Amino acid sequence: AQTIHQWPVAEIKAVGSPLSLGCTIKGKSSPNLYWYWQATGGTLQQLFYSITVGQVESVVQLNLSASRPKDDQFILSTEKLLLSHSGFYLCAWSLRDRGPERLFFGHGTKLSVL
Amino acid sequence: QQQVRQSPQSLTVWEGETAILNCSYEDSTFNYFPWYQQFPGEGPALLISISSVSDKKEDGRFTIFFNKREKKLSLHITDSQPGDSATYFCAASSYQGGRALIFGTGTTVSVSP
Repeated sequence: AQTIHQWPVAEIKAVGSPLSLGCTIKGKSSPNLYWYWQATGGTLQQLFYSITVGQVESVVQLNLSASRPKDDQFILSTEKLLLSHSGFYLCAWSLRDRGPERLFFGHGTKLSVL
Repeated sequence: QQQVRQSPQSLTVWEGETAILNCSYEDSTFNYFPWYQQFPGEGPALLISISSVSDKKEDGRFTIFFNKREKKLSLHITDSQPGDSATYFCAASSYQGGRALIFGTGTTVSVSP
């Protein structure tokens, strides 16, 4: 069975500090991977997607970057956090042969920037 | 601009009633419409979906009605249960290779016992 694990579960960080969030997918080879951001009570905004190792496409510029160092790992990071980065970060995967049809989300990371 | 819109923003129904959630979109290339259910503090989970070649999709107590001409769809939750209390997101996709889903603004449903 496929599992998706996000870490950490929650973070409280200071403005201007660095950030690294991670996501690991087990049980599925070469999935499409996605990062979404959700403001409290808001919609889900796609940030990045990756269809293969080392290749990441940006959808929205929010002073964040993403990398895919391994087939099953997706990292979201920034060197300087802004207050506007607060929210809920969700990693998701989909089956490559099915395209974007079915997204499976992780449990998310709640980020509070103070 | 918001490509996928949902209404109402929030909805309260009594247990056993039917909750009706509305969704509209602008891009005529969208051809796949999933609905996701999200509980507080959790990631969204796929609930039910429909493609643009169908006008109705039913799965248990959840039914999607789709009107391609008007670019509208709705999710009906019949015999609502307290466990259905969650936020529901309508989403749309046009299979643009990796750009995944465009999510709506969400409708928060509260079911009172």
